[in-house]
Amino acid sequence: AQSVTQLDSHVSVSEGTPVLLRCNYSSSYSPSLFWYVQHPNKGLQLLLKYTSAATLVKGINGFEAEFKKSETSFHLTKPSAHMSDAAEYFCVVSDPSGTYKYIFGTGTRLKVLA
Amino acid sequence: DAGVTQSPTHLIKTRGQQVTLRCSPKSGHDTVSWYQQALGQGPQFIFQYYEEEERQRGNFPDRFSGHQYPNYSSELNVNALLLGDSALYLCASSPSGGVRQPQHFGDGTRLSIL
Repeated sequence: AQSVTQLDSHVSVSEGTPVLLRCNYSSSYSPSLFWYVQHPNKGLQLLLKYTSAATLVKGINGFEAEFKKSETSFHLTKPSAHMSDAAEYFCVVSDPSGTYKYIFGTGTRLKVLA
Repeated sequence: DAGVTQSPTHLIKTRGQQVTLRCSPKSGHDTVSWYQQALGQGPQFIFQYYEEEERQRGNFPDRFSGHQYPNYSSELNVNALLLGDSALYLCASSPSGGVRQPQHFGDGTRLSIL
């Protein structure tokens, strides 16, 4: 069965400092992995996706993630946080056994301090 | 190009009532998935529709049902509402039957049960 674990429920960083949001996955298959961001009272916006191509994935707004099979990790990073990055972030694995339904982590709330 | 649109944005119901939520997928998308996001939680998969049929269902009771129309729009129906059904309901669409394609989310319908 597929699952994801987001290791931190809350992360606080100062504006201009690096961001690291951690995600570990479990999958019986070659996984498709995604990071989504959710701003308050909004839906989810796709930041980036990994679908078995390059292991370093670049996304929107300066975010990137590295797929490490040996560590079963897919951590999200950004070199310099901006106030507008404050939001909830979800790591997602796609279940390939039929419909590629999404299995979400519990989310990491990112707070950016001025 | 309109993205995924959901209606209504907010809804208040009482226990025992029935509700219908609506979703129009992104142009060019033929697959619609529904998710329930309780407060402070990650979204949970309810079911997915493709070619007007339910392809897969998550761990939700039969009180949750759906429909997909020939124009790919979809409805989520919930009968005999319980307090625990209070949540944000998210619709997501994807192309080509959803196979290894990122899902695009609407802003959701906030359902409150009194």
